[in-house]
Amino acid sequence: GAVVSQHPSRVICKSGTSVKIECRSLDFQATTMFWYRQFPKKSLMLMATSNEGSKATYEQGVEKDKFLINHASLTLSTLTVTSAHPEDSSFYICSARGAPTSLEGTDTQYFGPGTRLTVL
Amino acid sequence: SQQGEEDPQALSIQEGENATMNCSYKTSINNLQWYRQNSGRGLVHLILIRSNEREKHSGRLRVTLDTSKKSSSLLITASRAADTASYFCATDLNYQLIWGAGTKLIIKP
Repeated sequence: GAVVSQHPSRVICKSGTSVKIECRSLDFQATTMFWYRQFPKKSLMLMATSNEGSKATYEQGVEKDKFLINHASLTLSTLTVTSAHPEDSSFYICSARGAPTSLEGTDTQYFGPGTRLTVL
Repeated sequence: SQQGEEDPQALSIQEGENATMNCSYKTSINNLQWYRQNSGRGLVHLILIRSNEREKHSGRLRVTLDTSKKSSSLLITASRAADTASYFCATDLNYQLIWGAGTKLIIKP
């Protein structure tokens, strides 16, 4: 089956620093990747939709200057949390949707294992 | 914004029993998907059911969809300890998933 990886799986950083999280589709091409944030009650919130080669579309209330998303290739999207603060501590999950021509099709999203960010 | 709402929020049953979780949503959908998440881990896709389907099976999982009531149910038969996890439904319209808060399922040995 399709595999999506995230790196790092866990990161601890000081307040004010920036953290980059990578999301890779390992064996399929993903024209669209999604970034989610998971809150303590375990509901997921969509942060942004990232299409390869174009600017990400952010959900209402998500600061685009704080959460920088780059989708430079069909297999890689990155989320950079800039000037991180303790309230940014969370579980960040990416997912990838297959390209229309891929075997995975476009209906199913494949999720990465998540990145636990702790900002001190 | 959240569209899916799941109930119960938490469910604890004995191993071997069946577990049923429900999901309701508010708008039209292309499909509805169920996912499992083990504590602190990423999500695993379980089943996708399209809006023109009423029931789907996968191993010990059975999903039903009632678009007139805007609801879906996930049934896990003959539960096992390894089924302990949080289960989420997500509705898909125009390829974006809208999530519910999930049901925490605990299987007691």
